[in-house]
Amino acid sequence: EAGVAQSPRYKIIEKRQSVAFWCNPISGHATLYWYQQILGQGPKLLIQFQNNGVVDDSQLPKDRFSAERLKGVDSTLKIQPAKLEDSAVYLCASSLLRGNTGELFFGEGSRLTVL
Amino acid sequence: SQQGEEDPQALSIQEGENATMNCSYKTSINNLQWYRQNSGRGLVHLILIRSNEREKHSGRLRVTLDTSKKSSSLLITASRAADTASYFCATDARDMRFGAGTRLTVKP
Repeated sequence: EAGVAQSPRYKIIEKRQSVAFWCNPISGHATLYWYQQILGQGPKLLIQFQNNGVVDDSQLPKDRFSAERLKGVDSTLKIQPAKLEDSAVYLCASSLLRGNTGELFFGEGSRLTVL
Repeated sequence: SQQGEEDPQALSIQEGENATMNCSYKTSINNLQWYRQNSGRGLVHLILIRSNEREKHSGRLRVTLDTSKKSSSLLITASRAADTASYFCATDARDMRFGAGTRLTVKP
């Protein structure tokens, strides 16, 4: 079974530029999560999708971050404009079960450096 | 938020020793999960324990859950250098939020 795919693995941009990350969850997984993990900290939930609907985006900085999950499969996370404090690893995870009742499968993450 | 909080923040042991880390949470849960993260990698699911379970085993892992104290512990027995990683707990409810984790170092 293929795992959660994320790209790019690494991205370096200047502040005020924009960046987009892509996630392809495991086939059939209804729930998709985006997390931000700053070095030395635990993952912080940014947004949770159930199919193509948003379940929770309370911690998403909506003035600069946006995410979508068209057709309930792939998802993109965009940052525009980026700030220095956005430097982090962006992790995508998916789960087969609805809600939070099952195991999360994580991708390897996309490491963003904002200069 | 149903965030789990792990302690200690860091733990260093010798290979062969047991490692115990703890997780506390604040409100009622249906399940609690433990994950491992090797440096530079994504998180990997270790074990899920449901609220009606008190203890669960998986290989060298033993997880306990005390819902009255709103706490869980993860025990890794006979640790190996390959167990060096960060360990996180997360609970269900409204979302899957993680704490800061326990950084375990197992010295060969």
